[in-house]
Amino acid sequence: DAMVIQNPRYQVTQFGKPVTLSCSQTLNHNVMYWYQQKSSQAPKLLFHYYDKDFNNEADTPDNFQSRRPNTSFCFLDIRSPGLGDAAMYLCATSRDGGETQYFGPGTRLLVL
Amino acid sequence: DQQVKQNSPSLSVQEGRISILNCDYTNSMFDYFLWYKKYPAEGPTFLISISSIKDKNEDGRFTVFLNKSAKHLSLHIVPSQPGDSAVYFCAALYSGGSNYKLTFGKGTLLTVNP
Repeated sequence: DAMVIQNPRYQVTQFGKPVTLSCSQTLNHNVMYWYQQKSSQAPKLLFHYYDKDFNNEADTPDNFQSRRPNTSFCFLDIRSPGLGDAAMYLCATSRDGGETQYFGPGTRLLVL
Repeated sequence: DQQVKQNSPSLSVQEGRISILNCDYTNSMFDYFLWYKKYPAEGPTFLISISSIKDKNEDGRFTVFLNKSAKHLSLHIVPSQPGDSAVYFCAALYSGGSNYKLTFGKGTLLTVNP
């Protein structure tokens, strides 16, 4: 089945220690998104790639970076995680920025 | 500034009855609305959507109603089943925008009791 896969499902890191979250997709969608969702909050878009073009949201902290080496993979790098970065991170894809986005299961990040 | 609001954090209904989940939005530029369903430990999955040129869209047990003048939409589930128990997110989109950004509400936890 075509799907969006996120690894790891749970990630524990130390305050200030860089961490990378991974997303891959077999849908062959050209748009990939990263969302942050804190407890009882709405998912919040951090950035997205339309093909190779990176689009950052204005309020996304510089601490958050992303890489997309190819169509299938996209990474979220947190350079110096703070306690406030503990959240669920959701990856999503769409075709040509279409209305429907397809989500992975998420990676829950814990910062100690 | 929350542009999409789901004012009920939770809703509990009996199996077989109707579930009505509500959503309000403030941005009149939004022209496409979606409902996502999320089970614990899973990502949101698309459920149903509606374009702003319509006022109703139906898919099996699920119907979404849109009232543009009130900037309000609702999701009706009839009849409700225990397997419908999940968090439901309302999301909105401006399709003419350049970043295809979904703006989500905070979600409503639906519990369907047997």
